[in-house]
Amino acid sequence: GQSLEQPSEVTAVEGAIVQINCTYQTSGFYGLSWYQQHDGGAPTFLSYNGLDGLEETGRFSSFLSRSDSYGYLLLQELQMKDSASYFCAVSVYGQNFVFGPGTRLSVLP
Amino acid sequence: EAGVVQSPRYKIIEKKQPVAFWCNPISGHNTLYWYLQNLGQGPELLIRYENEEAVDDSQLPKDRFSAERLKGVDSTLKIQPAELGDSAVYLCASSLDRQYEQYFGPGTRLTVT
Repeated sequence: GQSLEQPSEVTAVEGAIVQINCTYQTSGFYGLSWYQQHDGGAPTFLSYNGLDGLEETGRFSSFLSRSDSYGYLLLQELQMKDSASYFCAVSVYGQNFVFGPGTRLSVLP
Repeated sequence: EAGVVQSPRYKIIEKKQPVAFWCNPISGHNTLYWYLQNLGQGPELLIRYENEEAVDDSQLPKDRFSAERLKGVDSTLKIQPAELGDSAVYLCASSLDRQYEQYFGPGTRLTVT
């Protein structure tokens, strides 16, 4: 099976930088994704790492280290609208796409 | 481009009653997913369709849950009979050729009393 771990909550102030970590244990791993979900809303795709290294999309960046079974989502220049839950998810060859438990980010003024 | 459409948005039923949820994916998306999401947790896959074929239903409680995707387009998820523990948000998602990039509908919030 697969298991993913994320911090349950993270708090930061507007304009700051925050990093949300994700560690995973799975066989047949081939990629790590990140999704954002506002309260009452649908999850929306943010980024995907199929290879080791950093992927940048505007204020958001995502990192993957396959050797460490670890990744993170980096959010820069935090805005109030970034307050949401963030989920990492693993893609596994021939199997399910599995979501982590989620990290609730609170951005304070 | 229209997004994933789900109905109803909210449903309240008594336990032991049947309930059905409907999903229309983004046009052209051949893969459709049904997820269950409990409050404060990540989505959990119930079933995945490739066109009209259910390719992964290992997590679907088949004694009470059923799903179909006739003609490989829209899909229906049914629960019969519903139990109190089925109260959750049921999400539908679709993807084109990259499983890691899924597009989600707004979900159906089910309350079983």
